[in-house]
Amino acid sequence: AQTVTQSQPEMSVQEAETVTLSCTYDTSENNYYLFWYKQPPSRQMILVIRQEAYKQQNATENRFSVNFQKAAKSFSLKISDSQLGDTAMYFCAFLFTGANSKLTFGKGITLSVRP
Amino acid sequence: DTAVSQTPKYLVTQMGNDKSIKCEQNLGHDTMYWYKQDSKKFLKIMFSYNNKELIINETVPNRFSPKSPDKAHLNLHINSLELGDSAVYFCASSQVFHEQYFGPGTRLTVT
Repeated sequence: AQTVTQSQPEMSVQEAETVTLSCTYDTSENNYYLFWYKQPPSRQMILVIRQEAYKQQNATENRFSVNFQKAAKSFSLKISDSQLGDTAMYFCAFLFTGANSKLTFGKGITLSVRP
Repeated sequence: DTAVSQTPKYLVTQMGNDKSIKCEQNLGHDTMYWYKQDSKKFLKIMFSYNNKELIINETVPNRFSPKSPDKAHLNLHINSLELGDSAVYFCASSQVFHEQYFGPGTRLTVT
């Protein structure tokens, strides 16, 4: 079974600064995807970024980038130039590409961006 | 255009009632899901359908019954509602082994 761990329950960052959210996972699978989802107060789940396990290059989407360390089973999200609209709960998620594939979420981290 | 839609967005009902939540996706995806988000914001999959066929059924009470009339729709019917069923229920869709797109969620409150 796969597990996803987000050990920091909450973080705070000053607007325009950079923040890194941590995530570790445990799996015996070799082929999988990792995702970060954002859930603002509106409760809509929004995909932020995805990473394929077979790709060594870290994914980047505008101000969002990941540090994917496959051997260490670590998948952190870096948010650069933080904006007030980044205030949300962030979930790390794991998807293995096998039979009965399902998305496993971490417990989430609440990020507050201070003006 | 709404990619994944759910109705209703809010549902308040009394214990013992039966209720349904509807979900539709216009993304052409083959797979649809139901998730439950509890009061601590933990998200857990309940069901998954691929081309109208049930492929994942987590340990959910059989008071919960999903129905997929076609691959664009996945409804959730809940019988004999209990206080512990209060939560936010999310529908999602994806192509197989790809990122999932979520609906806006339905906040169910059982009194």
